[in-house]
Amino acid sequence: GEDVEQSLFLSVREGDSSVINCTYTDSSSTYLYWYKQEPGAGLQLLTYIFSNMDMKQDQRLTVLLNKKDKHLSLRIADTQTGDSAIYFCAEIPTGGFKTIFGAGTRLFVKA
Amino acid sequence: DTGVSQDPRHKITKRGQNVTFRCDPISEHNRLYWYRQTLGQGPEFLTYFQNEAQLEKSRLLSDRFSAERPKGSFSTLEIQRTEQGDSAMYLCASGPPRDREGYTFGSGTRLTVV
Repeated sequence: GEDVEQSLFLSVREGDSSVINCTYTDSSSTYLYWYKQEPGAGLQLLTYIFSNMDMKQDQRLTVLLNKKDKHLSLRIADTQTGDSAIYFCAEIPTGGFKTIFGAGTRLFVKA
Repeated sequence: DTGVSQDPRHKITKRGQNVTFRCDPISEHNRLYWYRQTLGQGPEFLTYFQNEAQLEKSRLLSDRFSAERPKGSFSTLEIQRTEQGDSAMYLCASGPPRDREGYTFGSGTRLTVV
């Protein structure tokens, strides 16, 4: 079946690293994404990873993919108060058109 | 290009009324999606268009919901005989033809049915 699970909340201090975790159940997923949503706004694509990769780094963001365990993580280095938002993990199963989203992890950054 | 535009941003309607939302995607994007998001949840897929063809429709979409994309450009989502359970944020997203690297979302239309 198709399901994406994330923890609901994460609280970190400004300057620390944040790690947001996600598990997915569809082993055929080829594309995995992280989106960010700020209050009252639509979703913004942060980064993506293809299933033939196990790591991707983009400035302060590092994505790790463990296909064996179907586990995806997003690490934000030097977390800032502006990073406070909801972060969604998402997948597109192979052969499908639609993106399946998790319920989102709300990140609180304390100054 | 200013991204994906949705209109209106907010809509309050009485139960039983019909509402229509509009989405203008990024002009070179041929893929268009509608999602629904309720409080504390991730977006749920409603329907997908490739150009003007509606290729996939969720089972969440009852007969009261209809979506169109007549010329392969803007799209409309209509809800007939609205119910309180229809209250949600309705998000539109668009993507280019061969790019599976995610897509661009609009800011959404927040519907409140009273």
